[in-house]
Amino acid sequence: QKEVEQDPGPLSVPEGAIVSLNCTYSNSAFQYFMWYRQYSRKGPELLMYTYSSGNKEDGRFTAQVDKSSKYISLFIRDSQPSDSATYLCAITDSSYKLIFGSGTRLLVRP
Amino acid sequence: EPEVTQTPSHQVTQMGQEVILRCVPISNHLYFYWYRQILGQKVEFLVSFYNNEISEKSEIFDDQFSVERPDGSNFTLKIRSTKLEDSAMYFCASRKRVSTDTQYFGPGTRLTVL
Repeated sequence: QKEVEQDPGPLSVPEGAIVSLNCTYSNSAFQYFMWYRQYSRKGPELLMYTYSSGNKEDGRFTAQVDKSSKYISLFIRDSQPSDSATYLCAITDSSYKLIFGSGTRLLVRP
Repeated sequence: EPEVTQTPSHQVTQMGQEVILRCVPISNHLYFYWYRQILGQKVEFLVSFYNNEISEKSEIFDDQFSVERPDGSNFTLKIRSTKLEDSAMYFCASRKRVSTDTQYFGPGTRLTVL
């Protein structure tokens, strides 16, 4: 079983839609959860970071963690064409090395 | 806003040659990392570095790879004898402190081995 699983997409939505991106993980020792955004041939850019179950909101972005189900989500409200990118979930334990999902490619159509 | 920088942005080399990829982490960060991403694949951890020594390395990070912090600002990844399969984007990342901070990535160096 892979440590982190993420649907690769692509996911195509109209501008203004609510986007839901998801990852599952296998190891309950994971305790820190991140979402990065990556544009083509660029470095991952940190969007959200959390280490507890529940929701964390930052502007149009909401990160949700359910440790009992080993499931993390990122919601994007009022999606914009500039949100078109690949979204990577990343998880770590006390070693702090990041384990990434394969990334979900998102396209927001004007 | 401080950021991680990497040079060069693109490096082309012949198989068997040595390459050095350079990174300048964020100035008050203490933990440094290298990751790589082969085209179309996921970002993979290579090595972590703290207090002038390797903290952890992956199976990918074999004897062909080495890391160094030669001065107070640079962090380098050396590949001694490049192989075709080393072609990838290489990302440097840095982190400030132990508990609740996370890693900030540089823009990457695209390594092409011919």
